[in-house]
Amino acid sequence: DGGITQSPKYLFRKEGQNVTLSCEQNLNHDAMYWYRQDPGQGLRLIYYSQIVNDFQKGDIAEGYSVSREKKESFPLTVTSAQKNPTAFYLCASSIGWSRHRTYEQYFGPGTRLTVT
Amino acid sequence: AQSVTQLDSQVPVFEEAPVELRCNYSSSVSVYLFWYVQYPNQGLQLLLKYLSGSTLVESINGFEAEFNKSQTSFHLRKPSVHISDTAEYFCAVSVTGGFKTIFGAGTRLFVKA
Repeated sequence: DGGITQSPKYLFRKEGQNVTLSCEQNLNHDAMYWYRQDPGQGLRLIYYSQIVNDFQKGDIAEGYSVSREKKESFPLTVTSAQKNPTAFYLCASSIGWSRHRTYEQYFGPGTRLTVT
Repeated sequence: AQSVTQLDSQVPVFEEAPVELRCNYSSSVSVYLFWYVQYPNQGLQLLLKYLSGSTLVESINGFEAEFNKSQTSFHLRKPSVHISDTAEYFCAVSVTGGFKTIFGAGTRLFVKA
């Protein structure tokens, strides 16, 4: 079964600690994304990657970092510099990018991070 | 820049009644439009998409959406809802050749028995 896995589903951390959220896909997609979801605000883009070893900041990248060393993996680290880290984090992937069309995104089940 | 406005944050409706979830977008260039559905504590699933061609697009579970270029809208409709349709629905827009997809704030559909 092809898809995107995120682990863990629930994560609890103390303030001041860095935490890494896992995202793996076996869809052979080139592009991967990280979103943050807060109630009533929809999805906000944190980082995206069009290809291995390359990634770009999204709209709210401050306090976050990513890596893309393998095509199937795109982990997100929430650092202690992120002021309000408690949120639902969604990873997504798409086939890639084309000048002539846009491809839909496929989402993982999400990780709910609570920082106290 | 593109933007998406979902005009209703919550829509309560009785089972077997029709429903319309409204979505308006803003863009100066050609767009692709999507509706995604999210069940509680899950990721988003693609419901339907408009890329080109017929302005009326349908999903396999009875939803449909119509692309209206003059009104810059992409409203989602279903003639008869079920309890299982209770979820949050997100409208999204992307431009031709663009890499980012902009999501609306979401509409929570609550179907009552």
